[in-house]
Amino acid sequence: DGGITQSPKYLFRKEGQNVTLSCEQNLNHDAMYWYRQDPGQGLRLIYYSQIVNDFQKGDIAEGYSVSREKKESFPLTVTSAQKNPTAFYLCASSGAGTGGAGGEKLFFGSGTQLSVL
Amino acid sequence: AQSVTQPDIHITVSEGASLELRCNYSYGATPYLFWYVQSPGQGLQLLLKYFSGDTLVQGIKGFEAEFKRSQSSFNLRKPSVHWSDAAEYFCGGGRRALTFGSGTRLQVQP
Repeated sequence: DGGITQSPKYLFRKEGQNVTLSCEQNLNHDAMYWYRQDPGQGLRLIYYSQIVNDFQKGDIAEGYSVSREKKESFPLTVTSAQKNPTAFYLCASSGAGTGGAGGEKLFFGSGTQLSVL
Repeated sequence: AQSVTQPDIHITVSEGASLELRCNYSYGATPYLFWYVQSPGQGLQLLLKYFSGDTLVQGIKGFEAEFKRSQSSFNLRKPSVHWSDAAEYFCGGGRRALTFGSGTRLQVQP
């Protein structure tokens, strides 16, 4: 089945540790996104990538890093510089043919809950 | 900053009653506007979207939304709410990357 897969579902981070959240899609989408969800704050954009080997910061990029070496993969690293990493992280993708140029429908993964030990 | 705002954090309605969830946007030009719904612990599902043209947009599950440029609003409506509509609803907007409002949690009373 085509879709977008996030792993792991739950992740725990120790103090000072970097952790990486995986996001893979087999929808042949060009664009991929990472959002952070906190209670009462909705979804906030961390990073997005419109095309392979290119990405842009979103509204809350500090303490995070990404790479886009392959079209189907957009991993997010939560670094030790992110002092409040506990949140629900959602990955999404969109591509041409799903709604038109720009503003395409987003397809979401089922999320990763990150907690600090 | 370009953004969308959802002024209602939490709404409770009775089953069978009508529903309106508010969304206001702040963009220099008319953005693409969306409504998504999220069930607990899950990703988001698209309900409807507005790009241009007819300002009344029909979506899935009996939802509709009306784009009002004069009010910078894109409110979501449903004439008769079902218990299964209880969820969190997010309004989103943008052009290159979608940004979301803070969400409105809907509870449905029997």
